[in-house]
Amino acid sequence: AQSVTQLDSQVPVFEEAPVELRCNYSSSVSVYLFWYVQYPNQGLQLLLKYLSGSTLVKGINGFEAEFNKSQTSFHLRKPSVHISDTAEYFCAVSENSGYALNFGKGTSLLVTP
Amino acid sequence: EADIYQTPRYLVIGTGKKITLECSQTMGHDKMYWYQQDPGMELHLIHYSYGVNSTEKGDLSSESTVSRIRTEHFPLTLESARPSHTSQYLCASSDLRGLPPNTQYFGPGTRLTVL
Repeated sequence: AQSVTQLDSQVPVFEEAPVELRCNYSSSVSVYLFWYVQYPNQGLQLLLKYLSGSTLVKGINGFEAEFNKSQTSFHLRKPSVHISDTAEYFCAVSENSGYALNFGKGTSLLVTP
Repeated sequence: EADIYQTPRYLVIGTGKKITLECSQTMGHDKMYWYQQDPGMELHLIHYSYGVNSTEKGDLSSESTVSRIRTEHFPLTLESARPSHTSQYLCASSDLRGLPPNTQYFGPGTRLTVL
């Protein structure tokens, strides 16, 4: 069975600083990995996804993530955050053989001036 | 931008009432999902559907029921609402055609409060 652990429930950061949101997964088979963002009072929006190939994946809004198979991690990064990046970020994993998505508990990113 | 809609966005209702949360998508996606989301917790899958006349229960047991009479429509019903049903409900859809992965597109959610 697959599971997702988001190591930080809250990450406070100043505007224009870099940020990393951590995600680790466990699975006995190959996986697809996703990051979603949820702005206040909205649904989830896909930020980026790893399917295969290059381990560095670029997404929308300047975010990128790196897949590390040996460490079973898929950390999300942005070199310079903006106030508008304040949101909840969810990491999710899907096994190759199926269609189900398992989500982590989310990380709340709070960007302050 | 995904075209998936949920109504109502917010609902406050008394115990014992019957409610239906609406979800529609205009992308022609075969698979649709309902998730329950509590603050600070992961999303839990409560129902999904592979297509018309197909409904399955998800990982989290739920007293709600769903139907899929049309491809674009996937309503969720609670016959008798209780305070324990207070939560946010998110609808999603994905395209079954072609290979995985399962990129799901989400609606804005319905925040339900049962008094």
